[in-house]
Amino acid sequence: AQSVAQPEDQVNVAEGNPLTVKCTYSVSGNPYLFWYVQYPNRGLQFLLKYITGDNLVKGSYGFEAEFNKSQTSFHLKKPSALVSDSALYFCAVRDESTGGFKTIFGAGTRLFVKA
Amino acid sequence: DTGVSQNPRHKITKRGQNVTFRCDPISEHNRLYWYRQTLGQGPEFLTYFQNEAQLEKSRLLSDRFSAERPKGSFSTLEIQRTEQGDSAMYLCASIPGQPGNTIYFGEGSWLTVV
Repeated sequence: AQSVAQPEDQVNVAEGNPLTVKCTYSVSGNPYLFWYVQYPNRGLQFLLKYITGDNLVKGSYGFEAEFNKSQTSFHLKKPSALVSDSALYFCAVRDESTGGFKTIFGAGTRLFVKA
Repeated sequence: DTGVSQNPRHKITKRGQNVTFRCDPISEHNRLYWYRQTLGQGPEFLTYFQNEAQLEKSRLLSDRFSAERPKGSFSTLEIQRTEQGDSAMYLCASIPGQPGNTIYFGEGSWLTVV
């Protein structure tokens, strides 16, 4: 069975500092990995994904994520945080190699960026 | 591409009443998902359609819940005899059929059972 863990409920960072939001996953096959952001009372917005190829993936709004197969991690990063980045972030995994198409989400990490 | 559309956006209902939510996916997306999200939690998978076929259902989807996608386009999620524990946001998402594609979400339908 596939699963996703986001070990931090909340991450606090000062504006202009780098940020990291952690994610680890477990799948039996090859993972497709995703990051989404959610603002209050809204649906989830896609940020970036890893399918194959380069382990460093760049996405929307200056975010990037690094796929690490040996550590089964897919941490979200941004070199310089903005106050407007404050939101709820979700990591997700899908394993289609086993014939399934279910995307599983982590519990989320709330990011607070202080001015 | 007008995005995934969900209606109604908000619904307040009395316990025991039935409610129905509708989802219009992005056109030509043959896969459609329903998720439930409670406050402060991640989306929990409920069910998945490929075209009109419902291929997978979560154990979270009790017999009071039913989802349909009769013509492989829009989908409905009905909750019968609502309970206060059903209060949540119900998210619909769609995706094209090719492997590795991104899942796109609607804005969600908030349900409050009083």
